[in-house]
Amino acid sequence: DAKTTQPPSMDCAEGRAANLPCNHSTISGNEYVYWYRQIHSQGPQYIIHGLKNNETNEMASLIITEDRKSSTLILPHATLRDTAVYYCIVRVEGSQGNLIFGKGTKLSVKP
Amino acid sequence: NAGVMQNPRHLVRRRGQEARLRCSPMKGHSHVYWYRQLPEEGLKFMVYLQKENIIDESGMPKERFSAEFPKEGPSILRIQQVVRGDSAAYFCASSPLVEQYFGPGTRLTVT
Repeated sequence: DAKTTQPPSMDCAEGRAANLPCNHSTISGNEYVYWYRQIHSQGPQYIIHGLKNNETNEMASLIITEDRKSSTLILPHATLRDTAVYYCIVRVEGSQGNLIFGKGTKLSVKP
Repeated sequence: NAGVMQNPRHLVRRRGQEARLRCSPMKGHSHVYWYRQLPEEGLKFMVYLQKENIIDESGMPKERFSAEFPKEGPSILRIQQVVRGDSAAYFCASSPLVEQYFGPGTRLTVT
């Protein structure tokens, strides 16, 4: 079973920031938080990952709380093409094992 | 660098026939994962292979399903005697070691 909890759905206005929360209260010290998204009918796409420090790349920012029990993925200026299911996954860094996908959050970006 | 390629993209089989799904990993990647996504559900891990070896098949159904990743050529997921419940999207992901890059998937429909 997935070790994360996410809201099933969220809406966001186009051009506004989308903040997607994830709870991972049982995360271990050596587990990273990964985010993937799946745009309708496509394969999942890697977005970002982090351990405890906040991370930013060209796609998004990842904010991890100090106790590491929750995190937020931020899409700073959501577009219609960001409509997708977003998955938060915890995983040991360097692990070659499979990804465990939960149900994710269906983000709908509206004009 | 071409991404992960899967073919066919769509496959229709009658009950009892065999389905063969192919996955060509990204150049230089020697790890392949197969996932299945049933309608309206999340992705579920099936099998993890390295060249000529099955590393983890804990997610594979015990019967009718098999996978291989030969020294040369694509990885193959084979489903024998398909049933309607096998209708799903099958995604493969390739990895150089840790990060996984997903293909576009094969949508199998069993009639």
